[in-house]
Amino acid sequence: AQKVTQAQTEISVVEKEDVTLDCVYETRDTTYYLFWYKQPPSGELVFLIRRNSFDEQNEISGRYSWNFQKSTSSFNFTITASQVVDSAVYFCALGEGGGAQKLVFGQGTRLTINP
Amino acid sequence: DAGVIQSPRHEVTEMGQEVTLRCKPISGHDYLFWYRQTMMRGLELLIYFNNNVPIDDSGMPEDRFSAKMPNASFSTLKIQPSEPRDSAVYFCASSLSGGRTYEQYFGPGTRLTVT
Repeated sequence: AQKVTQAQTEISVVEKEDVTLDCVYETRDTTYYLFWYKQPPSGELVFLIRRNSFDEQNEISGRYSWNFQKSTSSFNFTITASQVVDSAVYFCALGEGGGAQKLVFGQGTRLTINP
Repeated sequence: DAGVIQSPRHEVTEMGQEVTLRCKPISGHDYLFWYRQTMMRGLELLIYFNNNVPIDDSGMPEDRFSAKMPNASFSTLKIQPSEPRDSAVYFCASSLSGGRTYEQYFGPGTRLTVT
């Protein structure tokens, strides 16, 4: 069965620190997609990134970076020089099936950035 | 461009009443999803449609829940009769096959409280 585990329930850091959010997934599919979503206090879910199983290149977008390692079934998310506006719940998700339309979400990590 | 639109944003109803949640997907998107978010169970996919046709409703909790998509720009999720355990935030999301496929864009959610 498809499963996503975000072992860190809550993380609290001081502004400007770097922080890494862990995501471990389980799947039997050879083709799959991984996602990160952000849910700020306002409640909406914001798409951050999509990565397919054939592309293990790390990706950087500003202060955000993602590390995908198939060998350890992990797709970790790092925020560099964190800011108070980064405070949110972050969800990792796995797209199962050939169409990857059916997403299985992790339980989320609540990140608090303190000034 | 307008994002996914959901109405109402908040709904308070009494146990036993019928509740109808509404969603307008992003124009041109051919997939539509209904999710439920609770503290206990996290984010769960309830049902999804492709080209207005229900593809997978295995996440629908029971017969009290039903969803329809009469056309490409409108979907409803109905609960009849409602129960206190249905209290949750219900999200609608849409995505586009081909191109930037698999990226689901979420609406702001409907917070449902059943008393």
